[in-house]
Amino acid sequence: GAVVSQHPSRVICKSGTSVKIECRSLDFQATTMFWYRQFPKQSLMLMATSNEGSKATYEQGVEKDKFLINHASLTLSTLTVTSAHPEDSSFYICSALTGDPSTDTQYFGPGTRLTVL
Amino acid sequence: GNSVTQMEGPVTLSEEAFLTINCTYTATGYPSLFWYVQYPGEGLQLLLKATKADDKGSNKGFEATYRKETTSFHLEKGSVQVSDSAVYFCALSGFAGASKIIFGSGTRLSIRP
Repeated sequence: GAVVSQHPSRVICKSGTSVKIECRSLDFQATTMFWYRQFPKQSLMLMATSNEGSKATYEQGVEKDKFLINHASLTLSTLTVTSAHPEDSSFYICSALTGDPSTDTQYFGPGTRLTVL
Repeated sequence: GNSVTQMEGPVTLSEEAFLTINCTYTATGYPSLFWYVQYPGEGLQLLLKATKADDKGSNKGFEATYRKETTSFHLEKGSVQVSDSAVYFCALSGFAGASKIIFGSGTRLSIRP
């Protein structure tokens, strides 16, 4: 089946630093990837849609200058949290579409837990 | 607008009990419907899906039927196990040609031995 990986799985950083999270589709090419944020005991909130070779589309209320998304290849998208602050601590999850419109299924990565001190 | 409503948790059951987690949706067009499961500390895994009315998705003993007349996609399992303890999310996508997923709020399930 389709496998999506994320790296790192956990990261702790100091306030004011930037953190990069990678999302990779391991056995398929993903023209579209999504980034979600999940607060404790809550549902997933879509942050942005990332299309290979073009600018990401951000959801309302998500700061594009704070959450930089780069989808440089068909198997890799990165999310950079710039100048992180404690309120950015969360579980970040990416997902990828297989590119087959008939399946219409997103496959999710295992998530990255970010803790900002 | 498009939305998913699922029963609030937590739901606590004894092992081998029958499980139902209700899910209803509001959507334009003909969305695809999904159940995702999230085990403690992990990301989401697709549990099952249905892409058109009257389709039944099934996996690992779980089932859900796409009911257009009642706009529902209830998750059921005849005999739950301790290993089924997780958070279950109902979701929809594919409305109006879009690929974005809208998730329900999630239902936490705990199974007692």
